[in-house]
Amino acid sequence: GAVVSQHPSWVICKSGTSVKIECRSLDFQATTMFWYRQFPKQSLMLMATSNEGSKATYEQGVEKDKFLINHASLTLSTLTVTSAHPEDSSFYICSARGVSSYEQYFGPGTRLTVT
Amino acid sequence: AQSVTQLGSHVSVSEGALVLLRCNYSSSVPPYLFWYVQYPNQGLQLLLKYTSAATLVKGINGFEAEFKKSETSFHLTKPSAHMSDAAEYFCAVSSRAGGYQKVTFGTGTKLQVIP
Repeated sequence: GAVVSQHPSWVICKSGTSVKIECRSLDFQATTMFWYRQFPKQSLMLMATSNEGSKATYEQGVEKDKFLINHASLTLSTLTVTSAHPEDSSFYICSARGVSSYEQYFGPGTRLTVT
Repeated sequence: AQSVTQLGSHVSVSEGALVLLRCNYSSSVPPYLFWYVQYPNQGLQLLLKYTSAATLVKGINGFEAEFKKSETSFHLTKPSAHMSDAAEYFCAVSSRAGGYQKVTFGTGTKLQVIP
C-alpha cells in the first residue's frame, strides 16, 4: 500500500516552454502533497506544500508564478514549470501524506532537462 | 525549528563489513526520525522510522538505527554490507508538534561498497 506515482519519469523540453508533472496517490487519499527539488549530488529541498482544494504554500525563495501547483483532488497534484529555463533542469520528487499519517510516501521522481 | 546533520558525505566499506552512517538531529519538540535510501535516478525508499516507540528500530534490508535522545543521534547500521547497499542515504526529521510538520532532510551520505 501507500504507492505514489509520478508522470512523466523524465522529460526534455525547450527553453521557454512549460512542462506539467503529475503526482498521484494510487491507493490512498492524500490530503497533503509535497513537491521537492533535488540538484545533482544534493539533498531534497522542499518547494511547496499543497492541501487538497486550497492554494499551495511555497517555501521562501520559490517563485510561485513559475512553479504552479494544483491539488484538485485527493489523489492528484500537478506541478507546472512555466517558461522553463536550463537552470530549472533538476530532479523533481513529490510525496503524499494521508489523512491520519505523519509519514510521507515518495514518488519515483521526474527528471527535467531544459535545453 | 529542526535540522539534521549527516557526518560524512561519502562512506566506503568493504563487502561484509559493518556499515555505520551517522545522523544527528536538532528539534525543539520530540521528533519523528527517518532513514531513506535513494538509488540513482530514483525516488526515496523508506528504510526505517522512529516514532517514539522502541528506541532500537529495525528496518528493511537488514538495517537498523538507534534513537539516542541524550546524544540527539539516530545512526544507521548494518552488520554486513552487501554490494546492493551502494546508494545515497538520507536522514530526516519531522517534529510532532501540531500533528505534523514538514520533513527536513540531511545532506545525504553516499555509501560505496568495495568488493
